[in-house]
Amino acid sequence: GAVVSQHPSWVICKSGTSVKIECRSLDFQATTMFWYRQFPKQSLMLMATSNEGSKATYEQGVEKDKFLINHASLTLSTLTVTSAHPEDSSFYICSARDLEGSSTDTQYFGPGTRLTVL
Amino acid sequence: RKEVEQDPGPFNVPEGATVAFNCTYSNSASQSFFWYRQDCRKEPKLLMSVYSSGNEDGRFTAQLNRASQYISLLIRDSKLSDSATYLCVVNMGSANAGGTSYGKLTFGQGTILTVHP
Repeated sequence: GAVVSQHPSWVICKSGTSVKIECRSLDFQATTMFWYRQFPKQSLMLMATSNEGSKATYEQGVEKDKFLINHASLTLSTLTVTSAHPEDSSFYICSARDLEGSSTDTQYFGPGTRLTVL
Repeated sequence: RKEVEQDPGPFNVPEGATVAFNCTYSNSASQSFFWYRQDCRKEPKLLMSVYSSGNEDGRFTAQLNRASQYISLLIRDSKLSDSATYLCVVNMGSANAGGTSYGKLTFGQGTILTVHP
């Protein structure tokens, strides 16, 4: 099956710093990638939809200036958490939709990045 | 009302038991439906898609009732390795009017299953 990687898998940073998370589709091209956030004991919440070559679409309540998304190629999307604060500590997961997939619904998830802001 | 609602459990069952999870969704225009499983501190993995006619994959059977906006998952002959959180997931269609964001998935809060010896 299609593989999606994320880097880093975990990160600890000081409050006020910025953290960049990479999401890569390893063996397929993805025009659309999705960024989710999951707090402990809660389900995944979609933050934004990342489209290659265009601006990301953010969900209601997600600050686009705080969570910067760049999708510069068909295999890479990045999420930058700017001026991170402890309340941003969470599990960030990306998914990618296979351009050549038979179903527009098929999304492949990355292994997630656990962010801890001190 | 939540867009996708599940009984959070937890369900604690012995090996070999049959267990059923239920899920309801609020948007009648929802297009497709899935069950994912998520292990602790891991990403969700697709377990199976759910079709209107009902579908089976080994010990797992999924059912969809569009009229009632209800989805179910039945696990027969539970194994220890089935212990996980089971997520009901609904595709509610395009994320925006521009039509560039297909496949917007909405996740239920998950049902925790523990299978014990």
